[in-house]
Amino acid sequence: EAGVAQSPRYKIIEKRQSVAFWCNPISGHATLYWYQQILGQGPKLLIQFQNNGVVDDSQLPKDRFSAERLKGVDSTLKIQPAKLEDSAVYLCASSLGVGRWADTQYFGPGTRLTVL
Amino acid sequence: AQSVTQLDSHVSVSEGTPVLLRCNYSSSYSPSLFWYVQHPNKGLQLLLKYTSAATLVKGINGFEAEFKKSETSFHLTKPSAHMSDAAEYFCVVSDQGGSYIPTFGRGTSLIVHP
Repeated sequence: EAGVAQSPRYKIIEKRQSVAFWCNPISGHATLYWYQQILGQGPKLLIQFQNNGVVDDSQLPKDRFSAERLKGVDSTLKIQPAKLEDSAVYLCASSLGVGRWADTQYFGPGTRLTVL
Repeated sequence: AQSVTQLDSHVSVSEGTPVLLRCNYSSSYSPSLFWYVQHPNKGLQLLLKYTSAATLVKGINGFEAEFKKSETSFHLTKPSAHMSDAAEYFCVVSDQGGSYIPTFGRGTSLIVHP
C-alpha cells in the first residue's frame, strides 16, 4: 500500500514570498491532517479535514495560511506571505475513519521549509 | 480541553538496559492515547495505542505502555534498549469530546549508548 506522499521535500524562500505544499493521502482515508513541527517541538495541528470538510482549523493562522482538500482526496497548504517564524517541517497525515478519535495516523515524510 | 506532558526532554540509557519514557495527560473524556516514534530523517510511525480496552498495551519492537487512569499516565517502557531505538518519541492524546483533535507532547529524545 502506498503511503502518504508530500511534495516538495525541501523549500527555501525569502520572507514575504508565497509557498504551497501538496499532500496525497493513503487511498480511501477520509481524514487528513496538516501539522507544523518547529525544531525541537512536537507537531502542532494546523487543520483537520474529514473528506473535504474542515473539522478544526483553530490553530491555523488564517491571515496568512490557507488549506483546501480537493474532492476529499489531495490537499494543499499555502502560506502567503511567509514570515521567518514559519520555518518548520510541515507534516501531512491521514487516517481511515471519520470522527474516530482512536484512529492511527499515517504520516508523510514532511516538507522542510526555510524562510530567509 | 485535553493536554499531554512528556516529563523528560531527553533520556539517556545504555544498550541492554530498561527504557522508561514518561507521559501524563489531561482529558475531560475517555481518552485515546498513542506513542509515535520519529527516527532521524524518517516519518512518524505509530508504536502503540490505547483505546479503552486492555490497560497494558503492547506495541512494535518490544515496547509497551500502561494506561493508569488514577495517575493520568501512559508511560512507555522497554525491557532492554537497542541502539536502533535511538529516536524522538511523542505521546499523543485524543478524546471524544466532540472534535477528535490529536494533541502531541513536546517529545522525548532517547539516546542509547553502546
